[in-house]
Amino acid sequence: GAVVSQHPSWVICKSGTSVKIECRSLDFQATTMFWYRQFPKQSLMLMATSNEGSKATYEQGVEKDKFLINHASLTLSTLTVTSAHPEDSSFYICSARKSYEQYFGPGTRLTVT
Amino acid sequence: QQQVKQSPQSLIVQKGGIPIINCAYENTAFDYFPWYQQFPGKGPALLIAIRPDVSEKKEGRFTISFNKSAKQFSLHIMDSQPGDSATYFCAAVSQGNTPLVFGKGTRLSVIA
Repeated sequence: GAVVSQHPSWVICKSGTSVKIECRSLDFQATTMFWYRQFPKQSLMLMATSNEGSKATYEQGVEKDKFLINHASLTLSTLTVTSAHPEDSSFYICSARKSYEQYFGPGTRLTVT
Repeated sequence: QQQVKQSPQSLIVQKGGIPIINCAYENTAFDYFPWYQQFPGKGPALLIAIRPDVSEKKEGRFTISFNKSAKQFSLHIMDSQPGDSATYFCAAVSQGNTPLVFGKGTRLSVIA
């Protein structure tokens, strides 16, 4: 398999502040990374597809100015939740593609108070 | 339109039983079908995957059966154990940088 790490694993922030989540592919290079959001007992909801060196492609309904994605290198993508509000509280999971296989990070639990 | 339909939504089996989870897809461009296992509070882990040129693939206690003409595939877990209790997601993808299309998941409980 392949390893994808995420940092932090959980974060609590106050409403109105911004939070950055890092996603790294540790033992392979990923030209494409994905960001998902998951609500309790539900499937994964794709937020955006990120290709190294280019702008992310956001899914319909996802605010690109609120969820800033940067894919600076073949092993690192970041998601910044700007001006977070309680409704942004969720489980955020990144994923990196290696050929056909897609590997997921352990997730980041975001709580906005 | 849900492109991958997964059933059942939840499943309870006794230890040693063989749970079967089924998925059906519509898009004939899909050519890679992975299964993921997810424990609470964790990210999904790639379990096993199959391509449409084979009808069955086994890895340890996990088996995928694939029926290309029916556009269906299923996961079988042999000799299930309580540690297999998790949510299982089927998925499908086609070539290129297109994202995985997930089923809605099956919550499996294996009771001793």
